[in-house]
Amino acid sequence: GESVGLHLPTLSVQEGDNSIINCAYSNSASDYFIWYKQESGKGPQFIIDIRSNMDKRQGQRVTVLLNKTVKHLSLQIAATQPGDSAVYFCAENMGTDSSYKLIFGSGTRLLVRP
Amino acid sequence: DTAVSQTPKYLVTQMGNDKSIKCEQNLGHDTMYWYKQDSKKFLKIMFSYNNKELIINETVPNRFSPKSPDKAHLNLHINSLELGDSAVYFCASSRDGGSGNQPQHFGDGTRLSIL
Repeated sequence: GESVGLHLPTLSVQEGDNSIINCAYSNSASDYFIWYKQESGKGPQFIIDIRSNMDKRQGQRVTVLLNKTVKHLSLQIAATQPGDSAVYFCAENMGTDSSYKLIFGSGTRLLVRP
Repeated sequence: DTAVSQTPKYLVTQMGNDKSIKCEQNLGHDTMYWYKQDSKKFLKIMFSYNNKELIINETVPNRFSPKSPDKAHLNLHINSLELGDSAVYFCASSRDGGSGNQPQHFGDGTRLSIL
């Protein structure tokens, strides 16, 4: 079977509570950021994105906050549900005029307690 | 109606063999990618293609050769497989023309195990 990524930081929350997952990014010139959710045996699934000209963006039950001063990104999940249990990755878009790429963070595992 | 599909889902083979992984996307995207995810879940880009042209080639051993026969397909061929190649390989696509400012959509991965 697939490795469970034993070295991943883990956030454990009670069902119904709000979750906050944090991410520090590396490049002050990065202009686009994405949060992905990865469930066991699946590929990363897009959750929400934000561009560097914004500091907050809301989706359905999720909010992303961007603090460019300290190069920090956070994902807030309201009323966390068991189906939210997964590994969450932030990613920043870095590159030059001819070549951009997404650099992924190391991931945070979210466990939702029933 | 899978958006990004990879085959095979699992690949178990001996060291030294040559193998290929196929990827197809039906989203009409112009950019496709290959990523490697190691046992610690670290996800790193290997290659990207825009309209069949290579635009990103990370420091990947030249045993790995991507091929894009058309905009909807990006295959990955690996020669002389080594133990360290064991990982999950993900294909992705986006419609940003290589600018990186649109979400990438991922397949469900190919789990490669080298014996």
